[in-house]
Amino acid sequence: DGGITQSPKYLFRKEGQNVTLSCEQNLNHDAMYWYRQDPGQGLRLIYYSQIVNDFQKGDIAEGYSVSREKKESFPLTVTSAQKNPTAFYLCASSKWTGGNKDYEQYFGPGTRLTVT
Amino acid sequence: DAKTTQPPSMDCAEGRAANLPCNHSTISGNEYVYWYRQIHSQGPQYIIHGLKNNETNEMASLIITEDRKSSTLILPHATLRDTAVYYCIVRVVGTGNQFYFGTGTSLTVIP
Repeated sequence: DGGITQSPKYLFRKEGQNVTLSCEQNLNHDAMYWYRQDPGQGLRLIYYSQIVNDFQKGDIAEGYSVSREKKESFPLTVTSAQKNPTAFYLCASSKWTGGNKDYEQYFGPGTRLTVT
Repeated sequence: DAKTTQPPSMDCAEGRAANLPCNHSTISGNEYVYWYRQIHSQGPQYIIHGLKNNETNEMASLIITEDRKSSTLILPHATLRDTAVYYCIVRVVGTGNQFYFGTGTSLTVIP
């Protein structure tokens, strides 16, 4: 069964602690993305990666870090420097050929992070 | 990527067609129109996309006006499970970067 998994679904942390959110895909997609969603808002891009060992900042990368050591995995670390970390975090992946064909993104089920 | 404008909310009777409009008056020639939907507390789900021709798949139809300044997503026979937020996104082809999701249209299907 192909798809994207994110774990855990709910995560609770104390302020000042770093926390890592997991994202794994078995779709053989090259590109992976992390978005953040706040209540009643659209999605905002945190980081994306088009290829292993390479990633780019999105619109709101401050206070976050990522790694892309394997094609299937793109973990996101929410650091203590992130001022408002409580949010719904969504991971996505897509094919990427670098050419003139565009592909849809497939999303995981999300992780709801609460920091108190 | 061009900006889109959608009504914040709509209702539709169960079994009827749901027609969701989207304005993208500044769209350029190499931008696709994408539609996603998000059911509460889940990840967005891809529905359909197109460049200039109308498109249809098992979920929906996408009608793009000839000048490409607007489009309509049609769910032919809405069910209660179609209640969700629907996002219209335009995106430059082949950039490989993010989709810009706005606040979308909250569709409520009424029994």
